[in-house]
Amino acid sequence: GAVVSQHPSWVICKSGTSVKIECRSLDFQATTMFWYRQFPKQSLMLMATSNEGSKATYEQGVEKDKFLINHASLTLSTLTVTSAHPEDSSFYICSSRRLAGLYEQYFGPGTRLTVT
Amino acid sequence: DAKTTQPTSMDCAEGRAANLPCNHSTISGNEYVYWYRQIHSQGPQYIIHGLKNNETNEMASLIITEDRKSSTLILPHATLRDTAVYYCIVKPTGNQFYFGTGTSLTVIP
Repeated sequence: GAVVSQHPSWVICKSGTSVKIECRSLDFQATTMFWYRQFPKQSLMLMATSNEGSKATYEQGVEKDKFLINHASLTLSTLTVTSAHPEDSSFYICSSRRLAGLYEQYFGPGTRLTVT
Repeated sequence: DAKTTQPTSMDCAEGRAANLPCNHSTISGNEYVYWYRQIHSQGPQYIIHGLKNNETNEMASLIITEDRKSSTLILPHATLRDTAVYYCIVKPTGNQFYFGTGTSLTVIP
């Protein structure tokens, strides 16, 4: 199946700093990527839809100025958590959508963010 | 997208079939039934999807009732590695995936 990678797999940062997470679609071009957040023992929550070459669409309640998304190429989307706080500690997962294929979305392995 | 209802948790003996139900009584004609699973601390993994016909692949079978208001995911011979949270999602093709709470399946030795 298609492969989506994320980097880093885990990161620890201090409160007030910014952290960038990369999501790469390794074997197909993805015009659309999605970012999810998952708190412990909870389900995945869609944060935003990232479209190549245009502004991301954020879900209700997600601060676009805090979670900056850039989708500059067909294989790379980045999520930057700005001025991170302990409550931003979570598991961040991206997915890529291929227009033609068996099952539209392929998920990355996730990035564990811990803010101290 | 149509709302889905799944049991919170289920157990299954290793080697036996695991049958995971999903209710989606408000499903529309253009909405597909997707199943994903998430093993602890990993990204979701695609299992299977269907519109109205039953589907089978190397991982599982998907049985959709004739009225399409419910479906069952069948893992024919559950192994310990099938322990995961299983998500049933109903949506039109092309829309985003919104995950519900899923069913936590524990395969017991």
